[in-house]
Amino acid sequence: VQLVESGGAVVQPGGSQRLSCTASGFIFDDYTMHWVRQTPGQGLEWLALISWDGGTTYYADSVKGRFTISRDNSKKSLYLEMNSLTTEDTAFYYCARVAVAGTFLIDFWGQGTLVTVSS
Amino acid sequence: IVMTQTPLSLSVTPGQPAAISCKSSESLLHSNGQTYLYWYLQRPGQSPHLLIYEVSSRFSGVPDRFSGSGSGTEFTLKISRVEAEDVGIYYCMQGVHVPPTFGGGTKVEIK
Repeated sequence: VQLVESGGAVVQPGGSQRLSCTASGFIFDDYTMHWVRQTPGQGLEWLALISWDGGTTYYADSVKGRFTISRDNSKKSLYLEMNSLTTEDTAFYYCARVAVAGTFLIDFWGQGTLVTVSS
Repeated sequence: IVMTQTPLSLSVTPGQPAAISCKSSESLLHSNGQTYLYWYLQRPGQSPHLLIYEVSSRFSGVPDRFSGSGSGTEFTLKISRVEAEDVGIYYCMQGVHVPPTFGGGTKVEIK
């Protein structure tokens, strides 16, 4: 199982950024996926979840209305569109695989991509 | 749901045991009878990886020196004999209530 995130960058406050996660080593469209972030020196915060077919999504209140999770199973890819970014969104962003549908159990994480929101 | 881990940090002599506590603000017992409490280890410079799921089940490849226990709102991760590769930050996570939430982490160091 391999999950590789990309798209991390330095972004100005109020700006937007799109993160991608490319999966390999497993049947991507069998699995629900998460995005989780970790602020430097801080803990972990769950952000969003998307079902195997993209038909169901959930968001943390902190990003609801600003972030959008999506996927393209034909490309084995997961995405996170982030808008109206603030300095509080500065973090490492991980994509993660849900082990069992209907749970939040993460069994594999990507290596993370860093988003820095700064002017 | 607030997940509170103690201690914040732990310095352990190799070969000695260690224990980390995780307390949740509400019960993690799901109506289906399962308790969705997980433990992760994040080694320095790496992403987290799964150690324990559903309180006490070890994930594939996790050494048997790691064990989990607890119920309701109080849980414990134990390492029977700490080894050098066990250094890092340990996180508990609850998967019962939306949104899923993590504990603040416990940093384990080797003396």
